[in-house]
Amino acid sequence: AQSVTQLDSQVPVFEEAPVELRCNYSSSVSVYLFWYVQYPNQGLQLLLKYLSGSTLVKGINGFEAEFNKSQTSFHLRKPSVHISDTAEYFCAVSMDDYKLSFGAGTTVTVRA
Amino acid sequence: DVKVTQSSRYLVKRTGEKVFLECVQDMDHENMFWYRQDPGLGLRLIYFSYDVKMKEKGDIPEGYSVSREKKERFSLILESASTNQTSMYLCASSLASYYGYTFGSGTRLTVV
Repeated sequence: AQSVTQLDSQVPVFEEAPVELRCNYSSSVSVYLFWYVQYPNQGLQLLLKYLSGSTLVKGINGFEAEFNKSQTSFHLRKPSVHISDTAEYFCAVSMDDYKLSFGAGTTVTVRA
Repeated sequence: DVKVTQSSRYLVKRTGEKVFLECVQDMDHENMFWYRQDPGLGLRLIYFSYDVKMKEKGDIPEGYSVSREKKERFSLILESASTNQTSMYLCASSLASYYGYTFGSGTRLTVV
């Protein structure tokens, strides 16, 4: 079985400051890892994904994430946030060839 | 641009009504999913389908059924709506889990 833990439910941050959203997963096999973003009243949009290869993955809107196999983590970072980054962020892990398992989400609120 | 379209953004239904939520994708994806999203709980899988007329229960199938008569359409049915089914419902499709999902914009259902 696989599970995903997002360690922070809410992250307030000032504009132009860096942000890190933490994600840990439990799995006994190799996994594929994803980060999604959900803007208010919208569906989820893929930010980035890790399948194999380089452990540092770059995504859209200046986000990046680092896969750490020994710590079973996949933390998301952005060096300088904008007001428009206010959203909910979800970490997800592939369960099999079909399904993803999602974390509970982290709400990022960017203040001026 | 590829799309997953959910027929309604907002729905208000009465307790005991039969409710249909429709989802259509134009990407020729084999796999389609229905999730419900509740604050603090993230996304929970209700049902998924990996082929026409095929369906599998997810983590919380009780009180729901699904129908997939055509590849592009996946319907979620609430047989007798109850107030605890008030939620955001998200439809998604994919080729395989390592591609990630494409999500619809969601249907916010309120059962009164």
